[in-house]
Amino acid sequence: GNSVTQMEGPVTLSEEAFLTINCTYTATGYPSLFWYVQYPGEGLQLLLKATKADDKGSNKGFEATYRKETTSFHLEKGSVQVSDSAVYFCALRTGAGSYQLTFGKGTKLSVIP
Amino acid sequence: DGGITQSPKYLFRKEGQNVTLSCEQNLNHDAMYWYRQDPGQGLRLIYYSQIVNDFQKGDIAEGYSVSREKKESFPLTVTSAQKNPTAFYLCAASSGGAHLYTDTQYFGPGTRLTVL
Repeated sequence: GNSVTQMEGPVTLSEEAFLTINCTYTATGYPSLFWYVQYPGEGLQLLLKATKADDKGSNKGFEATYRKETTSFHLEKGSVQVSDSAVYFCALRTGAGSYQLTFGKGTKLSVIP
Repeated sequence: DGGITQSPKYLFRKEGQNVTLSCEQNLNHDAMYWYRQDPGQGLRLIYYSQIVNDFQKGDIAEGYSVSREKKESFPLTVTSAQKNPTAFYLCAASSGGAHLYTDTQYFGPGTRLTVL
């Protein structure tokens, strides 16, 4: 079956530090990959996505590259801000006729001034 | 102002009672979903619907029921058969169709259900 593994949190960084949140996956076929962000008490917002190998998704200074050879989709940002404090979810969907997203457990990021 | 609305934001229920969570979308999307989120866990799919009058069970459908009588509405009923219903419930919608595995799911703000 499909699965997503994210690095365990919480992650605490100082403002302007470099961020990496690791995400690896197991899937049949060639999945599309997503990063969602959840701010406290809110629903999920799509942060970025990539639909085929070597694609790079980017948004709001965040980037992630679809690496088929390592089955990874690590999230990076060069300089985090306090406003980036949230929970980040990696997710995948395959083209096997299902609309389902498979989520990782989430990584909580706290950025301190 | 397009989007997904869920109501209420907070809901309290006594044990043994059924309760219905509302989800409405004005995105004109065909597919809708219900997820459950527990602390420290990812989201787990309860039910999904690809078109009106059709829905499928997800990974944790036991103790839940849904209906899809209108394209814009996908209410979720948490029945008394759900043994541990206290959780955060999220509704989502996507355009579906031919681009089903690349399209984006858009989420509502969620409903936090607490069983007293």
